[in-house]
Amino acid sequence: TQLLEQSPQFLSIQEGENLTVYCNSSSVFSSLQWYRQEPGEGPVLLVTVVTGGEVKKLKRLTFQFGDARKDSSLHITAAQPGDTGLYLCAGGLPGGKSTFGDGTTLTVKP
Amino acid sequence: GAGVSQTPSNKVTEKGKYVELRCDPISGHTALYWYRQSLGQGPEFLIYFQGTGAADDSGLPNDRFFAVRPEGSVSTLKIQRTERGDSAVYLCASSGGSGAGDTQYFGPGTRLTVL
Repeated sequence: TQLLEQSPQFLSIQEGENLTVYCNSSSVFSSLQWYRQEPGEGPVLLVTVVTGGEVKKLKRLTFQFGDARKDSSLHITAAQPGDTGLYLCAGGLPGGKSTFGDGTTLTVKP
Repeated sequence: GAGVSQTPSNKVTEKGKYVELRCDPISGHTALYWYRQSLGQGPEFLIYFQGTGAADDSGLPNDRFFAVRPEGSVSTLKIQRTERGDSAVYLCASSGGSGAGDTQYFGPGTRLTVL
């Protein structure tokens, strides 16, 4: 059973467009992380959110944690080809381990 | 090195063989994690070490999988009697803390192919 559901699974857009990807769960998490992974590499942490309702901005990326700490979204403004990659969300579990969603594969065409 | 390193980067083996995958964490990091990532899926937790001891091995799929971290630094993931279903990328991560929310730094992974 997948604890975290990510949508859409695949997204292909043109450079300059905006997009939002979602991470949903029926479980409450103490923290939630967003990672970006490129082919042949491990995931790289983008942000950690810990407070319900929290919004964090990282340049063109905006991350939101749901009030109930069960879901999150990632919004990218004016996407660029360099944003292409696999975006993973992960929920923090007791003891330090994380449970990951299956990711959204984003392709930004020039 | 500055980051987490894993060796080998690629491993091809035959069904039934034994393999060892190595992880060198960031120096000084006390926590070390092993994950497995199959094609089209997110990483799946296998085992977590705090220091030399396995704090949580609930993700190991069966008794063919075993991991050690004898000196609290380098870790080895061992797979006996490999099966084709074991084919995946095995990721290692380390963190400096001991609780949920600590930043995990991932290595590039070892791609295991079982023929």
